[in-house]
Amino acid sequence: DADVTQTPRNRITKTGKRIMLECSQTKGHDRMYWYRQDPGLGLRLIYYSFDVKDINKGEISDGYSVSRQAQAKFSLSLESAIPNQTALYFCATSDLQGADTQYFGPGTRLTVL
Amino acid sequence: AQRVTQPEKLLSVFKGAPVELKCNYSYSGSPELFWYVQYSRQRLQLLLRHISRESIKGFTADLNKGETSFHLKKPFAQEEDSAMYYCATTNKLIFGTGTLLAVQP
Repeated sequence: DADVTQTPRNRITKTGKRIMLECSQTKGHDRMYWYRQDPGLGLRLIYYSFDVKDINKGEISDGYSVSRQAQAKFSLSLESAIPNQTALYFCATSDLQGADTQYFGPGTRLTVL
Repeated sequence: AQRVTQPEKLLSVFKGAPVELKCNYSYSGSPELFWYVQYSRQRLQLLLRHISRESIKGFTADLNKGETSFHLKKPFAQEEDSAMYYCATTNKLIFGTGTLLAVQP
């Protein structure tokens, strides 16, 4: 399903650098999400947005910020990356009319050295 | 706190054996529960949701409010069922830690 795309797919960076992960969708959904996946911890919600003017913190928002530039775009930023932010990051979208079924992007593998 | 618990990190069965992936939740209201699956090198995708009461790829899941469970079941496992399975509730966008199902030939 190419309706939800993420760039970059892989990124290696150094401690202290600012990083932006981007997510775009062509599904026309209002709701967008950022998760991180860690072995043994499953998926944890970082931030979510129910429409362009709505931004909400998730379970683990510290150290992250987001920007909802348009209905189709939702970016995640790490202001000053640290090694424990090394993880697989997923963007997802949903539509309330679809019972909030989440459609995931392919993931971005981020390594912070 | 609201929580979704998947007690098994790994479940290994032989082809043709029954499968049950456990999921328990804690939520005071009416939960909206889902099972998502992630096959190797593919993105997470919806497998089924409790409000649909459907069977997908031979899998079913029944919401048991008394036991606060939403276990995923399949009577005869296939090798292509090998994947990571996540139970989730969208009431608070909470996912379980996942269970890796390995179906041996």
